[in-house]
Amino acid sequence: KNEVEQSPQNLTAQEGEFITINCSYSVGISALHWLQQHPGGGIVSLFMLSSGKKKHGRLIATINIQEKHSSLHITASHPRDSAVYICAASTSGTYKYIFGTGTRLKVLA
Amino acid sequence: SQTIHQWPATLVQPVGSPLSLECTVEGTSNPNLYWYRQAAGRGLQLLFYSVGIGQISSEVPQNLSASRPQDRQFILSSKKLLLSDSGFYLCAWSVRGRNARGPLHFGNGTRLTVT
Repeated sequence: KNEVEQSPQNLTAQEGEFITINCSYSVGISALHWLQQHPGGGIVSLFMLSSGKKKHGRLIATINIQEKHSSLHITASHPRDSAVYICAASTSGTYKYIFGTGTRLKVLA
Repeated sequence: SQTIHQWPATLVQPVGSPLSLECTVEGTSNPNLYWYRQAAGRGLQLLFYSVGIGQISSEVPQNLSASRPQDRQFILSSKKLLLSDSGFYLCAWSVRGRNARGPLHFGNGTRLTVT
């Protein structure tokens, strides 16, 4: 069992739909990260959170520390949101980040 | 502002040839530095990380090595490439600290094909 698991692995949505990507982790964390990997391969950091909720534009990230679960929501999805979304955990007491395998999102016009 | 440079963007190398990928960071001091590999359709695999000049921790014993000759320079090398070394290599940095902290900032990656 992976220490960081994401679901779904693949997701196809119609433009305008509300999207949720889930992440569960089994390790002790100091923070949980959401990353976006563009089709060209570049990776950008979207959110880093250790509690509660953060919002940036149409993206919302939440975390429930007790349940060891985080979600990434995209409101009013758009084809330009098509990318791979990766959940990663900063592990307590180490220098390492542990990554989920990613969720491939395709938003159709 | 901080930037991270990684080159080359693509590389095609024959089996048995050497490899050198370079990564430099600007606008920050004493970063934690990381090399990751991403095989096609797979997640990110940590290869090496460094918390200071000359300090290298290896996660995956193999024919790759890493060096950090300067504070903001991280180099990934191989003396003889294998077919299995093909993949997408990403350099990343995070804020220096005792633990993994702060967001990870990635370079644009190097797509390596070993033929």
